Amino acid sequence: KQEVTQIPAALSVPEGENLVLNCSFTDSAIYNLQWFRQDPGKGLTSLLLIQSSQREQTSGRLNASLDKSSGRSTLYIAASQPGDSATYLCAVLMDSSYKLIFGSGTRLLVRP
Amino acid sequence: EAQVTQNPRYLITVTGKKLTVTCSQNMNHEYMSWYRQDPGLGLRQIYYSMNVEVTDKGDVPEGYKVSRKEKRNFPLILESPSPNQTSLYFCASAGLGMRTEAFFGQGTRLTVV
Repeated sequence: KQEVTQIPAALSVPEGENLVLNCSFTDSAIYNLQWFRQDPGKGLTSLLLIQSSQREQTSGRLNASLDKSSGRSTLYIAASQPGDSATYLCAVLMDSSYKLIFGSGTRLLVRP
Repeated sequence: EAQVTQNPRYLITVTGKKLTVTCSQNMNHEYMSWYRQDPGLGLRQIYYSMNVEVTDKGDVPEGYKVSRKEKRNFPLILESPSPNQTSLYFCASAGLGMRTEAFFGQGTRLTVV
């Protein structure tokens, strides 16, 4: 059974820092991995999608990498801003069941 | 604009009173799914559908029903809601294939008293 783990569970950093969020998964038979952002009480906003055949994707200050063989993905946020404060979730799409399985998230606080 | 629309956004109801939460997407996606999100438990899948008239149970289907009569709509039905179904519910849709990106609705906060 696929398990998705995110470390750390919470992170507090001063504005301007570069930071890395981690996501690991136990079953490498995935179609893709997606990173989402969720603000309190709100819906999920897709940030980046990495196909299983890709190694990384970039969007603005965000860069996500995928190492499928080791079951790991990282989300790199450059020059963090207070507006980046949110919960970040990773999810893998299984290629056998087409099921989207989520990690429990990393709650990020960027202090001014 | 590509979007997934859920209604209502907020709902307070009493135990046992049937309710339906609607979900509609405008992207012609084959795949649609319902999740509930609870503190400490994360997002858990309730039901999903790969296409019209094709639905399957997720991890926590008890107490819920779904239907997929049209491609764009995927309503979630609670026949007899109970307080343990108080939660934040999300509907999602996606196309099929590895390039597909999942889109989520804004959520429905349900309270059952």
